Formats: sequence, structure tokens, C-alpha cells
Amino acid sequence: DQQVKQNSPSLSVQEGRISILNCDYTNSMFDYFLWYKKYPAEGPTFLISISSIKDKNEDGRFTVFLNKSAKHLSLHIVPSQPGDSAVYFCAASGGGGTSYGKLTFGQGTILTVHP
Amino acid sequence: DAGITQSPRHKVTETGTPVTLRCHQTENHRYMYWYRQDPGHGLRLIHYSYGVKDTDKGEVSDGYSVSRSKTEDFLLTLESATSSQTSVYFCAISTPDRKYEQYFGPGTRLTVT
Repeated sequence: DQQVKQNSPSLSVQEGRISILNCDYTNSMFDYFLWYKKYPAEGPTFLISISSIKDKNEDGRFTVFLNKSAKHLSLHIVPSQPGDSAVYFCAASGGGGTSYGKLTFGQGTILTVHP
Repeated sequence: DAGITQSPRHKVTETGTPVTLRCHQTENHRYMYWYRQDPGHGLRLIHYSYGVKDTDKGEVSDGYSVSRSKTEDFLLTLESATSSQTSVYFCAISTPDRKYEQYFGPGTRLTVT
């Protein structure tokens, strides 16, 4: 049972345009959401996060939006750059102080930014 | 970059043999995790540790055991490797105050033949 789903396996965009990566979740107990980025042959790196008490968080070119009623979050990258080409994973957690940082990840979306 | 190393980086082993993967950190982070990455599944948590000798199961723990005898090392053991355990294994670390912002190691590619 996949509690966090990224239904688009891949996304291709032109340099300078907006990239929108989507993620859906089913567990209403999730209260903290993150995006990780992964290059080939490397481990994932943390990109941006959002708490369920917010609906938007911005960090430079990256913005994450959370729609709790729809159980949906998205990552916007504006403008997209070729160096953004990577696999993007969304992740979610819930359970408060005793969760010890346990994360549930989506399947990942491969983003390709063309020059 | 966080100081996390994984060894070995690549391993080929035969079905039925035991395998131990090592994660070593120099950051003195309290929390450590083992994940596996498979196509179509993303990353799935195998086991995690919230302190020395304190470990617990993740979502895909069957066939795996872990040990943490000191802060810097977290070992993952496949007791009797099977072909379904062919995967890329990642170790991660975090601190209690930023537990979800995990730093990942470079990964170990394990092939079970």
C-alpha cells in the first residue's frame, strides 16, 4: 500500500521554464513533508520541507505547496536549470516526537531540463 | 557535506550467504537509518536507530538485522541473502531537532546471484 505516490515517472522541461512535480498521499496522520533530490550514483539530498500548518514554503527557486484537503503537494522550480536534472522524491512523516524521523517516500520523478 | 561513508560500495554475493553492510559517520548524529532503493518503490525504510543499542524495524525489515554498538557505526546484516534483496542500500543520519532532514551516504549496490 503506497501511502505516498508520485504518479509521473518523468518530466521534461526547457531551461528557464517552470518545473512542477506532484505528490499525493493517503495517510491523514502525515504532518510534515519534504522533497529530496538525487543525482545518479549519489545519495539523496534534502531540498525543501513544509509543515502541515503551512500551505507554502519558498527557498530561492524552489517552492513547495501543500493542499491538505486534497492530500496533495507540489514542488515548483522556477526557473529550471540543466543542473536541476535529477530524480526528485517526495517524503512524508507523522507521529510527532516519537517518530524518530521515520520517512515514507514516493517512487520518485525523473526531471530532465533541456538547454 | 555530512561525513557518511558506506562500505562496501559494490558487492556481488550468492544466494544464501550472509552479508554485512557498514555505515560510518563522523558527525556524531544520534539517529541513523537504513533504506533500500528499488525501481517503482522509491526509498523504503529497513531499520533505524535512535541511539546506541536502540534500534527498531522499518517497513521492509524481514530478512534484515541491524546493530549499533557505538554512535558512529550502524551495521546492516542480510542473514541469508536472496535475489529479492538485490538493491541499492542507503544509510542516512539526522539529529533529533532536525530529524526529517536526513543526510544520506553514497549508497551500496548489492547484487545477489
